[in-house]
Amino acid sequence: DTAVSQTPKYLVTQMGNDKSIKCEQNLGHDTMYWYKQDSKKFLKIMFSYNNKELIINETVPNRFSPKSPDKAHLNLHINSLELGDSAVYFCASSQESGVSGYTFGSGTRLTVV
Amino acid sequence: QKEVEQDPGPLSVPEGAIVSLNCTYSNSAFQYFMWYRQYSRKGPELLMYTYSSGNKEDGRFTAQVDKSSKYISLFIRDSQPSDSATYLCAMRNTNAGKSTFGDGTTLTVKP
Repeated sequence: DTAVSQTPKYLVTQMGNDKSIKCEQNLGHDTMYWYKQDSKKFLKIMFSYNNKELIINETVPNRFSPKSPDKAHLNLHINSLELGDSAVYFCASSQESGVSGYTFGSGTRLTVV
Repeated sequence: QKEVEQDPGPLSVPEGAIVSLNCTYSNSAFQYFMWYRQYSRKGPELLMYTYSSGNKEDGRFTAQVDKSSKYISLFIRDSQPSDSATYLCAMRNTNAGKSTFGDGTTLTVKP
């Protein structure tokens, strides 16, 4: 019954590897997001999709590639992982305008060693 | 300068205290204001959202927005140990497509 679910919860991997994080929402929302939270709790937008269309692409290295096969799913693929990519990645969803707030997943804690 | 500045904390209060959490912002186009609560190792959860200036109350929580001062607050009355968490303010304008978050304030309520 989880509203926004992400997998995996934890990911430990070596530098240079490629990894993917998956996200699914069952709320019927039109818009999905990826946010990155650093060790100081700052949440920074990475990408946003509305009905499978990319609408926000912040200044994120092109090693990060989102993909939305349908409006209920938003995946994040990361190539050539670097130490600085270590963070918690949150998926979120909202009604189209997002002005009434987001529903977040529980996060994927990525550690690059 | 960041668009949204949040009182850094951490904040530690005794149970039953009134807590005030605050954010200031620089973008006068922001019209929608949100507060999220994040427990350790969990995702942020939406507590309240408000539109434009004014107050909104929900149980022990009151959100206040003063657009003229570009200042928002979240008040927690009769604070409980279960309120111990990081609180994040967020805001957006109508067409932004994204919310901008503050850095968060970590609150500990001691029994």
